[in-house]
Amino acid sequence: EPEVTQTPSHQVTQMGQEVILRCVPISNHLYFYWYRQILGQKVEFLVSFYNNEISEKSEIFDDQFSVERPDGSNFTLKIRSTKLEDSAMYFCASSQDSLNEKLFFGSGTQLSVL
Amino acid sequence: GENVEQHPSTLSVQEGDSAVIKCTYSDSASNYFPWYKQELGKGPQLIIDIRSNVGEKKDQRIAVTLNKTAKHFSLHITETQPEDSAVYFCAAGYGNNRLAFGKGNQVVVIP
Repeated sequence: EPEVTQTPSHQVTQMGQEVILRCVPISNHLYFYWYRQILGQKVEFLVSFYNNEISEKSEIFDDQFSVERPDGSNFTLKIRSTKLEDSAMYFCASSQDSLNEKLFFGSGTQLSVL
Repeated sequence: GENVEQHPSTLSVQEGDSAVIKCTYSDSASNYFPWYKQELGKGPQLIIDIRSNVGEKKDQRIAVTLNKTAKHFSLHITETQPEDSAVYFCAAGYGNNRLAFGKGNQVVVIP
């Protein structure tokens, strides 16, 4: 069964450093997303991406965040200058189309900012 | 924005019994309500979803009911098995795939 894959599974970084989280969405999906879950809190929407541009972003997704689809398979989330409060589990998701609304999630990247 | 509340936070059931998890949502514009199951070390997996034009949906041992008037929806698991032990998330959205999630519910099935 096709699945969304995320790498790395764990990432430890120093405050102020840049990190790139990587995702390979399901191959025939057109919509891509990043969500995050801070420990003990709800899963929160960050951004949606379609046709090589951001469709929607939350208030969390400020100028420190960016997304990119550098090639036909990868979808990345970059945090330019990490802060302690960026520590969270980051989930990538994809869907076949917006009307389908069935999101398929990856296993997540646990980001720890020290 | 949409706010989804989920309760109880933890639910323990004897194997073979039923489990019910309830969620409430705030935005009457929401029209899509998925449920996700998350096992240890894995991402959330969609197990069932319901749209606002339907009051109930069933898939084998799991079912979801929706009360639009009261703005709540529930997940029902019958004949629970140990492999049903997981964290279950409800969510609500309205067509843009920007889902608002509940906080999650740890279900423990006791053999």
